[in-house]
Parts: sequence; C-alpha cells; structure tokens
Amino acid sequence: EPEVTQTPSHQVTQMGQEVILRCVPISNHLYFYWYRQILGQKVEFLVSFYNNEISEKSEIFDDQFSVERPDGSNFTLKIRSTKLEDSAMYFCASSGTGGVTEAFFGQGTRLTVV
Amino acid sequence: KQEVTQIPAALSVPEGENLVLNCSFTDSAIYNLQWFRQDPGKGLTSLLLIQSSQREQTSGRLNASLDKSSGRSTLYIAASQPGDSATYLCAVRPRDDKIIFGKGTRLHILP
Repeated sequence: EPEVTQTPSHQVTQMGQEVILRCVPISNHLYFYWYRQILGQKVEFLVSFYNNEISEKSEIFDDQFSVERPDGSNFTLKIRSTKLEDSAMYFCASSGTGGVTEAFFGQGTRLTVV
Repeated sequence: KQEVTQIPAALSVPEGENLVLNCSFTDSAIYNLQWFRQDPGKGLTSLLLIQSSQREQTSGRLNASLDKSSGRSTLYIAASQPGDSATYLCAVRPRDDKIIFGKGTRLHILP
C-alpha cells in the first residue's frame, strides 16, 4: 500500500524559531496538501500545491508559512517565526486528480512551540 | 462555502452492536467523499472513498453510503468491536485542490 511519509514525528521548538516540516508524498500523485489539527479540534486545511505552485490556501496560511517542493520528491512546510498557537499536529497529504483517487495522509508531525 | 457536519459528536455502544455515523455537507458539488479513522494522537487512515457517481462502498464490516443530492453520507459499522474505538472523520472533496473535514464522531465500543 502506498504511503505518505512525514519527518520528524515530533518537534519541539522555541517561540520565534523557524521550523521546516518534511513530507515525501506518493510518487505519482499530483496534488499535495498541508493540514493542521490543534489538540482536540478539527482537521483544518492550510494549503494545496500543484504543478510547482500554490493552488489554494486558507486564511491560516499567512506570510509566516511557505511551502516548497525542492527536489521533485520532498514537500516541505516552513514556519518562519513560530508562535505558541502554532503548536499542533501537521499532516501532509497527496492525491491524484479527479474524484476517483483517494487522498492519503501521513502520520503527522507534532509541533510543540515553547 | 462548503461545510461538513458530523452527528453525533460522540457515541458509546456495547460491543456487537451495529451502528451508524452520519455526515452532512452543504454543497452537493463534490468530486468524492472519504471516511477516515483517527486513533488518539495518530494520523488519518482512509477507510472508504465514494466517488460522486457512486451510492455506496463496502470494506469488510464497513459500509458507506452517499446521497449527493441531499448532502448526506452514512458510515455503517456492523458487529462493532472494542478495536473500532476511534474518531471517525468525514471529508468531502469539492475540487482537486481542497478536502474539507467534519469535526468527527468519537466512537467508544464498550467491551
């Protein structure tokens, strides 16, 4: 079964520091996504990426966030200056196009900002 | 704006019972609907995908139905087991670049 891989599984960082969350999507997928889930709350859409550019982003995805596909396999989410409220589980996902394809999610990176 | 609602928010049932989880969405223009399972502190595991042209999908003891015109889906779990205890999430895909989740139903199966 194909899988989306995320690293690290847990990251602790000091407020104001930059963090990069990494993901390896499924190789033949075309759409890539980042979601976050604050403890006890719903899974929220952050951004989607297609054809090497952002396709859609939410109001959460402000100038502190950026995404990149640096080498054709990895997909990264960068938070430039972390805040306490950025503490959450971050999920990467990938999918093909159209309604016939499932979206597959990684196991998440738990980010703790102290 | 597409919104996904799941009822009930939490459910406890004795082992062996059949149960139904409900999901509703406000805009019927979707590519597909997916049901996920999430264990505490863990990732999202895809259970079933229903394409917009389909009415139901089955996998083992799970059966998901879709009524696109009324904006409803149900997840039926037969002969529930303690290992089924988890949060079940419904998600719709209105277009390729977005998937929208409900808040989930937290299911507890009592041994």
